[in-house]
Amino acid sequence: ERVMTQSPGTLSVSPGERVTLSCRASHYVSDDNLTWYQQKFGQAPRLIIYGATSRATGIPDRFSGSGSGTDFTLTISRLEPEDFAVYYCQGDGGSFGGGTKVEMK
Amino acid sequence: QLVESGGGLVQPGESLRLSCSVSGFTFSGFWMGWVRQVPGKGLEWMANINDDGTKKFYADALRGRLTISRDNVEKSLFLQMDSLRVDDTAVYYCVSSHHPGAFDFWGQGTMVTVSS
Repeated sequence: ERVMTQSPGTLSVSPGERVTLSCRASHYVSDDNLTWYQQKFGQAPRLIIYGATSRATGIPDRFSGSGSGTDFTLTISRLEPEDFAVYYCQGDGGSFGGGTKVEMK
Repeated sequence: QLVESGGGLVQPGESLRLSCSVSGFTFSGFWMGWVRQVPGKGLEWMANINDDGTKKFYADALRGRLTISRDNVEKSLFLQMDSLRVDDTAVYYCVSSHHPGAFDFWGQGTMVTVSS
């Protein structure tokens, strides 16, 4: 079974701070097919990063993805109020991580 | 735009067929899939189907109870779920894949409640 593990589970931050979210795969993620999504309360998830590092259309450049193999990171350079949400990673094979909730400190 | 339908209240052991109507892009050119989410919990990938419907992939935990299919003429995606259980209660999302491994677009979701 392919398992994606996200950390931390919850991150309490203030607007303007730099945020780093981690996603670790139990297996080698082929072709860097690692995806990040943002989900706000009551909404469907939204694609943020695909291919580990490519921003989806309309995603501001304060969002960036990095990593390869089994360890990946989503970074928000300066958190905006609209960025408070739950972030999920997804590896090749479809499995999602458990999510990281970014909440206001 | 992806619009799901077919959710509702069903009894344990029953079957359900979800539909997803697609507009705004060339449906026949893209892989599609289904993802579900128990309220208050995380996302669970369920199944994918390739652009012409000849390749289907299922989550190990659900294989045997799911059938994904598509109609490229009607621009629709379907999910047949059999032997429904209480823990299948969730919001079911239709998704489209425009980049390898990614779900670019999501429907608004349809709620399925399994209860006696």
